[in-house]
This record gives sequence, C-alpha cells and structure tokens, in this order.
Amino acid sequence: DIQMTQSPSSVSASVGDRVTITCRASQGISSWLAWYQQKPGKAPKLLIYSASSLQSGVPSRFSGSGSETDFSLTISSLQPEDFATYYCQQAKSFPLTFGGGTKVEIE
Amino acid sequence: QVQLVQSGAEVKKPGASVQVSCKASGHTFNGYMHWLRQAPGQGLEWMGWISPNSGGTNYAQKFQGRVTMTRDTSIRTAYMELSRLRSDDTAVYYCARDYCTTTSCPDNWFDPWGQGTLVTVSS
Repeated sequence: DIQMTQSPSSVSASVGDRVTITCRASQGISSWLAWYQQKPGKAPKLLIYSASSLQSGVPSRFSGSGSETDFSLTISSLQPEDFATYYCQQAKSFPLTFGGGTKVEIE
Repeated sequence: QVQLVQSGAEVKKPGASVQVSCKASGHTFNGYMHWLRQAPGQGLEWMGWISPNSGGTNYAQKFQGRVTMTRDTSIRTAYMELSRLRSDDTAVYYCARDYCTTTSCPDNWFDPWGQGTLVTVSS
C-alpha cells in the first residue's frame, strides 16, 4: 500500500496568513493526488485533484502543487471559513489511501 | 447537481451485519460509487467502489470477504453491507461518487459525498 504522510499534523494561524501543508507519498504517484477539506461533523469536500486542478466552486486562494512523492496545498490568505482539517489522498493505486490529516486552527 | 442521501444511524452487536444505503438525486445514476469510512477522531479509509452500470466491484483487500456493494439502478440507490461486525468497525460510513475528468473512469476522486451514516458496534 502507498503510505501518505502529511505535515504538520496541526497548524495555528491567523486570518490573512499564508498556510502551506505538505504531503509525501511512500512511492511515486505522478499527479494522482487530491486534497479534501473536512469541517467537524461534515463530510469531506474535494478542493484539488490531479495535484493542482482546482475543483469547480473552490476559491482561488487554494492551490496545489507537486508531483511524484512531494506535494503541497497552499491557502494564500486564510479566511475564517478555512479553519478545518485537510487530507491528501492518492489515486495512483489500490487501495486508495489518505494522509493522516492536518488541522488548521485559529491562533 | 448530484446529491447523495444516506440511511440513518445504526447500532449493531458484534458479529452482526449492517447495510447502509445511498440514494442519488439530481443527476443520472451513472458514476462509480465509492464507500469510505472514518472511525471516531480518526482519518479516512477507502473501502471500495461499485459500477452502477455493470455492478462490477473493486474492494480494498482489508474488507474482502466481509463487504458487499450492490446497487439498484431503478431507484438510483447504492448499498454497502458489512458483515461479521467488530467493535473497531464503529465509524461514520460515507458514500461518494467518483469525480471523473478523463475517458477512463473511475478517476478515484470523491465528489460529492453523502452526509455519512454512523454505525456503532457494541454489545
């Protein structure tokens, strides 16, 4: 199975801050990576797929980059509604696997 | 706009089976449907997918022999049954449609998601 490792596990930030979350795959996955946002008690929401493609309706302050084993999700200017947990997911091979999550908290 | 509505919470005893349903509305029922779960306070785990057209399935090896995914296209509903339940199967179970952007679906991105169904396994 491909292991996905996210860092940090949590980050404290303020509104307006630039936040970057990283995700490392245990083997090369090309661009088969997605990012999801999950708020408490809610289902995850797809933000980014194919490493850098923004899902329709997702604000442009979210961006993704990377390939093979190293990826990142950047929020350019953190908004109040962005405080949530973020997960990366690889779609290169089965079983599909997720990172452990990064909780973005209010500083 | 596809919406997925799941069945309600379940409480089961160890060794029992549970079936969760996922009804699609707002669009044609022709995308692959994934099932995932999330234990309390934990991360996300993919269980498998079913093709609404052919009924073909692809299960994660971890669940092989215990999970069965089916669908009824006439009522636009997918089902996930998990048998021989254990306490560590306690989780919120989600259905999610495959978001496919290529000609070789499934792409294995998940969008949209159902609201989740809490399954509690306790004696």
